[in-house]
Amino acid sequence: NAGVTQTPKFQVLKTGQSMTLQCAQDMNHNSMYWYRQDPGMGLRLIYYSASEGTTDKGEVPNGYNVSRLNKREFSLRLESAAPSQTSVYFCASSEAPTGPQETQYFGPGTRLLVL
Amino acid sequence: RKEVEQDPGPFNVPEGATVAFNCTYSNSASQSFFWYRQDCRKEPKLLMSVYSSGNEDGRFTAQLNRASQYISLLIRDSKLSDSATYLCVVNPRSSASKIIFGSGTRLSIRP
Repeated sequence: NAGVTQTPKFQVLKTGQSMTLQCAQDMNHNSMYWYRQDPGMGLRLIYYSASEGTTDKGEVPNGYNVSRLNKREFSLRLESAAPSQTSVYFCASSEAPTGPQETQYFGPGTRLLVL
Repeated sequence: RKEVEQDPGPFNVPEGATVAFNCTYSNSASQSFFWYRQDCRKEPKLLMSVYSSGNEDGRFTAQLNRASQYISLLIRDSKLSDSATYLCVVNPRSSASKIIFGSGTRLSIRP
Protein backbone atom coordinates (compact mmCIF):
# COMPACT_ATOMS: atom_id res chain seq x y z
CA ASN A 1 0.00 0.00 0.00
CA ALA A 2 1.26 3.46 -0.90
CA GLY A 3 -0.83 5.08 1.84
CA VAL A 4 -1.39 8.75 1.06
CA THR A 5 0.30 10.18 -2.01
CA GLN A 6 0.56 13.82 -3.08
CA THR A 7 1.63 15.53 -6.27
CA PRO A 8 3.57 17.60 -6.98
CA LYS A 9 6.31 17.50 -4.34
CA PHE A 10 7.50 21.02 -5.12
CA GLN A 11 6.01 23.93 -7.01
CA VAL A 12 6.95 27.54 -7.67
CA LEU A 13 4.19 29.88 -8.78
CA LYS A 14 3.96 33.53 -9.64
CA THR A 15 1.38 35.68 -7.90
CA GLY A 16 -1.97 35.27 -9.61
CA GLN A 17 -1.27 31.86 -11.13
CA SER A 18 -3.51 28.91 -10.35
CA MET A 19 -2.73 25.31 -9.56
CA THR A 20 -4.24 22.13 -8.19
CA LEU A 21 -2.61 19.94 -5.58
CA GLN A 22 -3.55 16.29 -5.92
CA CYS A 23 -3.99 13.78 -3.13
CA ALA A 24 -4.95 10.11 -3.22
CA GLN A 25 -5.22 7.40 -0.58
CA ASP A 26 -5.47 3.64 -0.99
CA MET A 27 -6.54 2.76 2.56
CA ASN A 28 -10.28 2.93 1.81
CA HIS A 29 -10.62 5.80 4.27
CA ASN A 30 -13.79 7.83 4.37
CA SER A 31 -12.34 11.15 5.54
CA MET A 32 -9.70 13.31 3.95
CA TYR A 33 -8.08 16.60 4.95
CA TRP A 34 -5.90 19.40 3.63
CA TYR A 35 -3.56 21.23 6.01
CA ARG A 36 -0.94 23.89 5.63
CA GLN A 37 2.11 24.08 7.86
CA ASP A 38 3.99 27.30 8.43
CA PRO A 39 6.98 27.85 10.73
CA GLY A 40 5.89 28.23 14.36
CA MET A 41 2.21 27.86 13.48
CA GLY A 42 1.60 24.13 13.55
CA LEU A 43 -0.70 22.47 11.07
CA ARG A 44 -3.84 24.40 10.22
CA LEU A 45 -6.85 22.77 8.61
CA ILE A 46 -7.85 24.29 5.27
CA TYR A 47 -10.71 22.01 4.21
CA TYR A 48 -11.83 18.53 5.00
CA SER A 49 -14.16 15.91 3.58
CA ALA A 50 -15.80 13.77 6.23
CA SER A 51 -17.10 11.36 3.59
CA GLU A 52 -17.33 11.06 -0.17
CA GLY A 53 -19.59 13.78 -1.52
CA THR A 54 -19.12 16.22 1.35
CA THR A 55 -16.62 19.01 1.97
CA ASP A 56 -16.39 21.54 4.77
CA LYS A 57 -14.27 24.54 5.64
CA GLY A 58 -11.57 24.34 8.21
CA GLU A 59 -9.70 27.09 10.03
CA VAL A 60 -8.12 28.82 6.99
CA PRO A 61 -10.22 28.20 3.84
CA ASN A 62 -9.90 31.60 2.16
CA GLY A 63 -8.18 31.47 -1.22
CA TYR A 64 -8.69 27.71 -1.63
CA ASN A 65 -11.23 25.35 -3.10
CA VAL A 66 -11.45 21.58 -2.86
CA SER A 67 -12.99 18.70 -4.74
CA ARG A 68 -13.62 15.23 -3.39
CA LEU A 69 -13.42 13.51 -6.75
CA ASN A 70 -14.20 10.04 -5.39
CA LYS A 71 -13.46 8.09 -2.23
CA ARG A 72 -9.74 7.95 -3.04
CA GLU A 73 -8.99 11.46 -4.27
CA PHE A 74 -9.21 14.90 -2.72
CA SER A 75 -7.76 17.88 -4.57
CA LEU A 76 -6.94 21.40 -3.39
CA ARG A 77 -7.06 24.31 -5.82
CA LEU A 78 -5.49 27.74 -5.55
CA GLU A 79 -7.35 29.95 -8.02
CA SER A 80 -5.09 33.00 -7.77
CA ALA A 81 -1.97 32.31 -5.74
CA ALA A 82 -0.66 34.90 -3.29
CA PRO A 83 2.71 35.06 -1.49
CA SER A 84 0.84 34.41 1.78
CA GLN A 85 0.04 30.95 0.44
CA THR A 86 3.71 29.97 0.44
CA SER A 87 3.69 26.97 2.74
CA VAL A 88 3.98 23.22 3.01
CA TYR A 89 0.68 21.51 2.23
CA PHE A 90 -0.18 18.13 3.71
CA CYS A 91 -3.03 15.88 2.77
CA ALA A 92 -4.26 13.36 5.34
CA SER A 93 -6.90 10.66 5.60
CA SER A 94 -8.67 8.75 8.35
CA GLU A 95 -11.31 6.04 8.53
CA ALA A 96 -13.69 8.47 10.22
CA PRO A 97 -13.55 12.16 11.21
CA THR A 98 -14.06 11.48 14.90
CA GLY A 99 -14.24 8.50 17.18
CA PRO A 100 -12.00 5.44 17.46
CA GLN A 101 -11.08 5.54 13.77
CA GLU A 102 -10.02 9.18 13.76
CA THR A 103 -6.25 8.61 13.52
CA GLN A 104 -4.95 10.61 10.58
CA TYR A 105 -2.32 9.40 8.13
CA PHE A 106 -0.39 12.00 6.20
CA GLY A 107 1.03 12.27 2.72
CA PRO A 108 4.61 13.45 2.12
CA GLY A 109 3.63 17.06 1.53
CA THR A 110 3.85 19.64 -1.25
CA ARG A 111 6.24 22.56 -0.83
CA LEU A 112 4.77 25.62 -2.53
CA LEU A 113 6.56 28.91 -3.10
CA VAL A 114 4.59 31.85 -4.46
CA LEU A 115 6.69 34.71 -5.79
CA ARG B 1 -4.12 31.86 25.04
CA LYS B 2 -3.52 29.41 22.21
CA GLU B 3 -5.85 26.42 22.10
CA VAL B 4 -2.91 24.03 22.23
CA GLU B 5 0.48 25.13 23.51
CA GLN B 6 3.81 23.40 23.42
CA ASP B 7 7.26 24.53 24.45
CA PRO B 8 9.00 24.87 21.07
CA GLY B 9 12.37 23.82 22.49
CA PRO B 10 14.80 22.79 21.26
CA PHE B 11 15.44 20.25 23.95
CA ASN B 12 19.03 19.15 23.56
CA VAL B 13 19.81 16.04 25.61
CA PRO B 14 22.52 13.35 25.60
CA GLU B 15 21.84 9.88 24.31
CA GLY B 16 20.47 7.66 27.05
CA ALA B 17 18.82 10.49 28.94
CA THR B 18 15.18 10.70 29.92
CA VAL B 19 13.28 13.66 28.55
CA ALA B 20 9.72 14.81 29.07
CA PHE B 21 7.59 17.54 27.58
CA ASN B 22 4.08 18.76 28.08
CA CYS B 23 1.30 20.09 25.96
CA THR B 24 -1.49 22.21 27.44
CA TYR B 25 -4.93 22.61 25.92
CA SER B 26 -7.66 25.13 26.59
CA ASN B 27 -10.82 23.31 25.53
CA SER B 28 -12.02 21.32 28.51
CA ALA B 29 -14.40 19.41 26.22
CA SER B 30 -11.48 17.79 24.40
CA GLN B 31 -11.99 14.05 24.09
CA SER B 32 -9.03 12.47 22.39
CA PHE B 33 -5.33 13.19 22.36
CA PHE B 34 -2.36 12.09 20.35
CA TRP B 35 1.36 12.53 19.98
CA TYR B 36 2.74 12.69 16.45
CA ARG B 37 6.38 12.68 15.44
CA GLN B 38 7.62 14.78 12.54
CA ASP B 39 11.12 14.41 11.12
CA CYS B 40 12.74 17.32 9.35
CA ARG B 41 11.03 17.99 6.00
CA LYS B 42 8.79 14.94 6.40
CA GLU B 43 5.14 14.36 7.18
CA PRO B 44 3.78 13.88 10.71
CA LYS B 45 3.40 10.26 11.78
CA LEU B 46 1.38 8.95 14.67
CA LEU B 47 3.55 8.08 17.65
CA MET B 48 0.84 7.14 20.10
CA SER B 49 -2.65 7.89 21.27
CA VAL B 50 -3.04 9.16 24.83
CA TYR B 51 -5.54 7.36 27.00
CA SER B 52 -7.11 8.56 30.23
CA SER B 53 -5.24 6.02 32.31
CA GLY B 54 -1.92 6.77 30.65
CA ASN B 55 -0.21 4.38 28.30
CA GLU B 56 3.21 3.10 27.46
CA ASP B 57 4.79 1.89 24.25
CA GLY B 58 8.33 0.69 24.78
CA ARG B 59 10.43 3.66 25.83
CA PHE B 60 7.57 6.10 25.39
CA THR B 61 4.96 6.94 28.02
CA ALA B 62 2.05 9.27 27.47
CA GLN B 63 -0.12 10.68 30.22
CA LEU B 64 -3.26 12.79 30.36
CA ASN B 65 -4.14 15.18 33.17
CA ARG B 66 -7.69 16.37 32.59
CA ALA B 67 -7.85 18.47 35.74
CA SER B 68 -4.89 20.59 34.67
CA GLN B 69 -5.61 20.16 30.96
CA TYR B 70 -2.30 18.87 29.74
CA ILE B 71 -0.80 15.79 28.17
CA SER B 72 2.77 14.70 28.54
CA LEU B 73 5.26 12.55 26.69
CA LEU B 74 8.16 10.85 28.44
CA ILE B 75 10.99 9.29 26.47
CA ARG B 76 13.34 6.99 28.38
CA ASP B 77 16.81 5.88 27.27
CA SER B 78 16.70 8.32 24.37
CA LYS B 79 18.30 7.33 21.06
CA LEU B 80 19.83 9.48 18.35
CA SER B 81 16.91 8.41 16.16
CA ASP B 82 14.47 10.08 18.57
CA SER B 83 15.61 13.47 17.28
CA ALA B 84 12.51 15.00 15.74
CA THR B 85 9.69 17.43 16.41
CA TYR B 86 6.87 16.09 18.55
CA LEU B 87 3.39 17.43 17.87
CA CYS B 88 0.50 17.09 20.27
CA VAL B 89 -2.99 16.82 18.84
CA VAL B 90 -6.22 17.53 20.66
CA ASN B 91 -9.64 16.59 19.37
CA PRO B 92 -12.92 17.63 21.00
CA ARG B 93 -14.64 15.10 18.71
CA SER B 94 -17.42 17.57 18.01
CA SER B 95 -16.21 18.01 14.46
CA ALA B 96 -13.18 17.19 12.36
CA SER B 97 -12.71 20.94 11.91
CA LYS B 98 -11.98 21.30 15.63
CA ILE B 99 -8.90 19.09 15.67
CA ILE B 100 -5.98 21.21 16.80
CA PHE B 101 -2.32 20.49 16.22
CA GLY B 102 0.28 22.03 18.48
CA SER B 103 3.19 23.76 16.81
CA GLY B 104 5.58 21.11 18.13
CA THR B 105 8.51 20.60 20.47
CA ARG B 106 11.87 20.08 18.83
CA LEU B 107 14.06 17.38 20.38
CA SER B 108 17.70 16.89 19.55
CA ILE B 109 19.62 13.93 20.97
CA ARG B 110 23.40 14.33 21.02
CA PRO B 111 25.90 11.42 21.09
